[in-house]
Amino acid sequence: SQQGEEDPQALSIQEGENATMNCSYKTSINNLQWYRQNSGRGLVHLILIRSNEREKHSGRLRVTLDTSKKSSSLLITASRAADTASYFCALDTGGFKTIFGAGTRLFVKA
Amino acid sequence: DAGVIQSPRHEVTEMGQEVTLRCKPISGHDYLFWYRQTMMRGLELLIYFNNNVPIDDSGMPEDRFSAKMPNASFSTLKIQPSEPRDSAVYFCASSLDGVRNEQFFGPGTRLTVL
Repeated sequence: SQQGEEDPQALSIQEGENATMNCSYKTSINNLQWYRQNSGRGLVHLILIRSNEREKHSGRLRVTLDTSKKSSSLLITASRAADTASYFCALDTGGFKTIFGAGTRLFVKA
Repeated sequence: DAGVIQSPRHEVTEMGQEVTLRCKPISGHDYLFWYRQTMMRGLELLIYFNNNVPIDDSGMPEDRFSAKMPNASFSTLKIQPSEPRDSAVYFCASSLDGVRNEQFFGPGTRLTVL
């Protein structure tokens, strides 16, 4: 399957803690994107990392990409209750489709 | 810009009825995508358009589903006849250049077929 697989499926942490989510895939990619989905809402783009990049930052978000291991991680530092959402990795495999993973459900307890 | 607009936000219908979902993409975006999200199958791409032309409809589950984009600012996804297994949240998304950069998602239409 070309689909990205997120790990863990669900994560529960305390406010202020860091949250780390991982995405593994099996095919080569042009880029990898992370999206957030709040309950009952559409997906919102967070960050894009290209295959020739290893790390990107955006505010409290840090994304790494290891193409040799075919994996990416999303780190949210100093989490807030408002970060409670599902997080999806999405793969650009060179075709015309974005392949979305099944998502990690993050719950941040206040 | 108001973002991607979808209507209706919620639709409840009975099996066998026709359902039409509507989408207005962000102005200037050349790509439009229709997705379906369920707990069991996650987020699935149904069809996408480039410059109003359907490029890939391999994700459309069966002939009961059809999609059109008569102009750059409007698209419809039609299900006829609807079945209970079509119950899902349907998202429309648009982008400037396909999958190379971010897609902007609408709020979705929650469809319930009784």
